[in-house]
Order: sequence, then structure tokens, then C-alpha cells
Amino acid sequence: TQLLEQSPQFLSIQEGENLTVYCNSSSVFSSLQWYRQEPGEGPVLLVTVVTGGEVKKLKRLTFQFGDARKDSSLHITAAQPGDTGLYLCAGAVDRGSTLGRLYFGRGTQLTVWP
Amino acid sequence: DTAVSQTPKYLVTQMGNDKSIKCEQNLGHDTMYWYKQDSKKFLKIMFSYNNKELIINETVPNRFSPKSPDKAHLNLHINSLELGDSAVYFCASSQKLRDRLFSGELFFGEGSRLTVL
Repeated sequence: TQLLEQSPQFLSIQEGENLTVYCNSSSVFSSLQWYRQEPGEGPVLLVTVVTGGEVKKLKRLTFQFGDARKDSSLHITAAQPGDTGLYLCAGAVDRGSTLGRLYFGRGTQLTVWP
Repeated sequence: DTAVSQTPKYLVTQMGNDKSIKCEQNLGHDTMYWYKQDSKKFLKIMFSYNNKELIINETVPNRFSPKSPDKAHLNLHINSLELGDSAVYFCASSQKLRDRLFSGELFFGEGSRLTVL
């Protein structure tokens, strides 16, 4: 069973366009993170959101945590070729046997064409 | 200096062989992990060690055995390799878990691409 559903799985856009990636679940998360992975490398953390309704901005990237802490979105404004990569959301579910675990979504492969 | 380093980066081997992947972190973190990323880029946790103690052991075949000689090292040994073991294996570390709750960020190594022929 996939705990986190990411959509879309693939996104191919032109430079300058805006885009939104979604991360949804029926589970409540104590925190949610977004990572970016480039070919041949490991994922690198972009942001962590903890509070329901929280919005964080990182230059042209805006991250939002749902009020119920079950979903999140990543919005990129005026995408650039350098934004190309695999975007992964990951949620921490800190209860019972899942203590200490971070569950990853299947990722969104973003390609931005010049 | 690389924060989380794993070796080898590439591993090509025959079915039935035994192989090991080594991981070292110089971040002073107490917690280390092994993740497996399949061909569809899905990252799934395999093991987690906190200060040399095994704390997460997902449903992984017994052929996979992690070993943590000290808190800066976490190695993965795989016996009797199968075709389905082909994947990229990532080592990661994070700061000490507080009351076993995950916090902070994961620092990943560059991955070790295992191909079983």
C-alpha cells in the first residue's frame, strides 16, 4: 500500500511556465518534507513543513502543508531548466510501529525545456 | 569532504553471488539508514540504525544483513543475489532521533547502483 500519492508522475513544460505538484494521503503526518533528486545523486532536502496550513517559500518554490496535515503541494513559478529533476515528498508518521519512519511518494519527474 | 559516502558506486554481478556496500558519514549523526530505489524511482526504507542499534527492519529478505561497527558506518551485505535485487541502494543519515521520533533531514549518499545479471 502506497502511503503517499504524488501527482503528476511526469511533467514536461517550457521555461517560464508555472507548475504545481501534489502529494496526498489518507494518513496524518507529523511532518512532511520535499526532496529534489538529480540523476546519479541522492535526494537533497528542500523544505520541511510541520504545522497544518503552513506555507514556506524558497525563492520561486512555494510549499504548502494541508490544514489536516494529510497533503502538501509544491508550486514553482516561472520554471527554469535548472529546476529539472525528480521531486519527492516524504512524510513522517510517528506512531506505534512506524516510529522513526519516513515514507516517500513515488516522485514527480519534472523536465523544463529552454 | 563528502558528508555521506558509499562504495562502490556501481556493482555488476552474477546471480547467486554475495556482495557488500559500505557507507560512512562524517556528520556526527547518530542515525543511519539504507533505502532501496527501484527502477520506477520509488524509495523504500530497508533498515535504520540509531547509535549502532537496529531500530527499523522493514520486510526485507534475510539475505540482506546490515552491520554497524560504529555510529559513523553502516554496511549492507547481500547474500545469494537475485535479479530482483537490481536497484540503487542509498545510505542516509540524520541527527539523533528524539524519543524515536523522526526529525530533521536525511542526508543521502550518491547511491550504489547494483545490477544482477
